[in-house]
Amino acid sequence: EAQVTQNPRYLITVTGKKLTVTCSQNMNHEYMSWYRQDPGLGLRQIYYSMNVEVTDKGDVPEGYKVSRKEKRNFPLILESPSPNQTSLYFCASSSSSTGAYNEQFFGPGTRLTVL
Amino acid sequence: AQRVTQPEKLLSVFKGAPVELKCNYSYSGSPELFWYVQYSRQRLQLLLRHISRESIKGFTADLNKGETSFHLKKPFAQEEDSAMYYCALRWGGATNKLIFGTGTLLAVQP
Repeated sequence: EAQVTQNPRYLITVTGKKLTVTCSQNMNHEYMSWYRQDPGLGLRQIYYSMNVEVTDKGDVPEGYKVSRKEKRNFPLILESPSPNQTSLYFCASSSSSTGAYNEQFFGPGTRLTVL
Repeated sequence: AQRVTQPEKLLSVFKGAPVELKCNYSYSGSPELFWYVQYSRQRLQLLLRHISRESIKGFTADLNKGETSFHLKKPFAQEEDSAMYYCALRWGGATNKLIFGTGTLLAVQP
């Protein structure tokens, strides 16, 4: 089944303890992206990647890192999490074909709580 | 600056009533717009694209460049339509970046 998977789905951690949220897709998509979803703010893009070894900042990149060593994986790294990073995180992927027919496929989400 | 505005946080209607979820955008180029839906405990998924001029699950959306709007409409709401709806604008160029609105929660009452 074509899909985007994320792990873990739920995570409670403490301030300053490094964590990684994994994202994997099996659709051979070039483009991958991370969003955070907060009440009243919708989805905001954190980082995106156009292809392997090509990453760039989105709208709210502070406090996050990403890497794209393989096409299928795009982990999100929080080196020193803080309570304001408590949020629901979504990974998404799409083919490199740009344009109005393009569709982004989303993962199930990771609910992160930083105490 | 590119922006998507969904003025209503919550829209509550009765089953069988018409639905219109509003979306306005601000974009200097030729816009490419989408509606995404998130049902309870499910992942976000594409509902429809403006370019396809399609009707999905009875929903339609027409791009009005003069009013810079892309409202989502359905003539008769069903309880299973209850969900969070996001309007999104694809930011142009080589990226597939989507700019999302803040979302509207549609609650269809029996």
